Amino acid sequence: GENVEQHPSTLSVQEGDSAVIKCTYSDSASNYFPWYKQELGKRPQLIIDIRSNVGEKKDQRIAVTLNKTAKHFSLHITETQPEDSAVYFCAASILTGGGNKLTFGTGTQLKVEL
Amino acid sequence: NAGVTQTPKFQVLKTGQSMTLQCAQDMNHEYMSWYRQDPGMGLRLIHYSVGAGITDQGEVPNGYNVSRSTTEDFPLRLLSAAPSQTSVYFCASMDSSYEQYFGPGTRLTVT
Repeated sequence: GENVEQHPSTLSVQEGDSAVIKCTYSDSASNYFPWYKQELGKRPQLIIDIRSNVGEKKDQRIAVTLNKTAKHFSLHITETQPEDSAVYFCAASILTGGGNKLTFGTGTQLKVEL
Repeated sequence: NAGVTQTPKFQVLKTGQSMTLQCAQDMNHEYMSWYRQDPGMGLRLIHYSVGAGITDQGEVPNGYNVSRSTTEDFPLRLLSAAPSQTSVYFCASMDSSYEQYFGPGTRLTVT
């Protein structure tokens, strides 16, 4: 099955700096790569996703890049703010008519310091 | 819309007890799934359903049963609780663009 590795496990940045979280996946058939943000005690919430026919996607301060050849994808957060502090999870799946079975990375605890 | 709802929010069980975690969604989504979240391990798929009457196993199905009699409801049953099932359980449903919406979670402790 799919295996997703995520690094780093913790990341501390100064407010206004950029943060980068990296993930690798093992199954070359995977074609959907979402990123979730989870605040303490809350549910995971989708912040951005990318499909395998696209190399990069941006949404305001957040961007995701995908390298299918190397089987890795990254989350970039620019101009970080204290409210960006949370745990971020990457995931991968093969989208089929039958659904979306996500395999998650182990998470990155991001701390944005004032 | 209430979205995805889960009950209970917290539960403590003794080893060997059984219970059902409830999940419901009011978005008419066909695809629903259950994940468990353990510290340092991310979320892992337990079971999923592509529609009423159809269920299948995910990555960690042992010790859990599911059924899907309606589009709205997808309960997760623990047959005989074990301490290894102490975890936070999230139910999710998926829309037509493949985005998954998670419920608020159930925190389960098995002693």
